[in-house]
Amino acid sequence: AQTVTQSQPEMSVQEAETVTLSCTYDTSESNYYLFWYKQPPSRQMILVIRQEAYKQQNATENRFSVNFQKAAKSFSLKISDSQLGDTAMYFCAFMKMDSNYQLIWGAGTKLIIKP
Amino acid sequence: DAGVTQSPTHLIKTRGQQVTLRCSPKSGHDTVSWYQQALGQGPQFIFQYYEEEERQRGNFPDRFSGHQFPNYSSELNVNALLLGDSALYLCASSPVGLGDTQYFGPGTRLTVL
Repeated sequence: AQTVTQSQPEMSVQEAETVTLSCTYDTSESNYYLFWYKQPPSRQMILVIRQEAYKQQNATENRFSVNFQKAAKSFSLKISDSQLGDTAMYFCAFMKMDSNYQLIWGAGTKLIIKP
Repeated sequence: DAGVTQSPTHLIKTRGQQVTLRCSPKSGHDTVSWYQQALGQGPQFIFQYYEEEERQRGNFPDRFSGHQFPNYSSELNVNALLLGDSALYLCASSPVGLGDTQYFGPGTRLTVL
């Protein structure tokens, strides 16, 4: 069975700083997807970034980028130039490729951006 | 273009009652998944519907059932409610042929007293 671990329950940084959220996972699969989702106080789960395991290049979306280390089963999220609106719970999630479409989630990291 | 919508926003029920939650997928999406998120935890997969059939199911009892309609909208039904069913219920939809990326609705907060 696959598991996802987020070891930082809460993090706090000043506005405009860079912050990195950690995620590790355990799987015997070779093909899979990894995701970071953001859940602000409004509760809606918002897709931040998506990574295919077969791609060596790290995914990037504007201020958000990942450091994907397949051998180490690590998938960290870096937020550059953090903004007050980045304050939210951040969840790392795993999905097997082909025939299995359920997301397996970590417990989340609460990120607070201070003014 | 409307995103994933869910109704109702909040719901309060008592133990033993039954509840129905509704979800309309994003335009162009044909697959709907349901998740339960207890307070302070990550979501747990309940089941997924595709072509009006339950394609996959997580580790939830038969009290949890669902349905998908021809227009791809979906319902989640929970019978014989327990206090432990209190949670945020999230619906997610996926595009045709791209089932790997799921887009979420705002959720329904269910409180069981």
